[in-house]
Amino acid sequence: EVQLVESGGGLIQPGGSLRLSCAASGFTFSNYDMYWVRQPTGKGLEWVSAIATGGETYYANSVRGRFTISRENAKDSLYLQMNSLRAEDTGVYFCAREKEGFGLNTLDYWGQGILVIVSS
Amino acid sequence: DFVMTQSPDSLAVSLGERATINCKSSQSVLYSSNNKNYLSWYQQKPGQPPKLLIYWASSRESGVPDRFSGSGSGTDFTLTISSLQAEDVAIYYCQQYYTIPVTFGGGTKVEIK
Repeated sequence: EVQLVESGGGLIQPGGSLRLSCAASGFTFSNYDMYWVRQPTGKGLEWVSAIATGGETYYANSVRGRFTISRENAKDSLYLQMNSLRAEDTGVYFCAREKEGFGLNTLDYWGQGILVIVSS
Repeated sequence: DFVMTQSPDSLAVSLGERATINCKSSQSVLYSSNNKNYLSWYQQKPGQPPKLLIYWASSRESGVPDRFSGSGSGTDFTLTISSLQAEDVAIYYCQQYYTIPVTFGGGTKVEIK
């Protein structure tokens, strides 16, 4: 059974840093592109970042230069290092798996999400 | 960026009746080389992550009831719930994955009338 479990969220002051982790199981993690998607409370979904199987990384304009996505295939883990956090970064962060295939594809499995609150 | 616009923002449908949700992309998500529309639909219930329902605009994900169907091409798409059930109360999102950044519609809330 495919499982994605996020951790590392919490309350952080503006300007602070936080590192989110996503532990994957039930599939060959190294074969899949992985994503972070966030959702401000009561609002819609916003793509944050993605990392390909080969290590190529992609970022939303709103987080580029502040967030860093990475993966550790030996540990079946995905990470999101978040620096210089702002109030508008507050929300639930989901890790998600891209469906296997050539080129971009849909997101077929999502974690339960982890809450990040940026507030003084 | 591709802007995804959903309508309506919310709708109330009687049990057993049809629900129709629309999604319009600011640019075509049809890739001519493979004739595929890079468009997904997700269902999200309170306190839960999104669940994939439809991909390639009309392919139903494994395990999704056949009352859910997707249609459309290019820039205009529709998600139809043929006979609304109580468990279908949720927010539905469309998403394009034609290009990075992938983008989502604003969501449509479906309720029981």
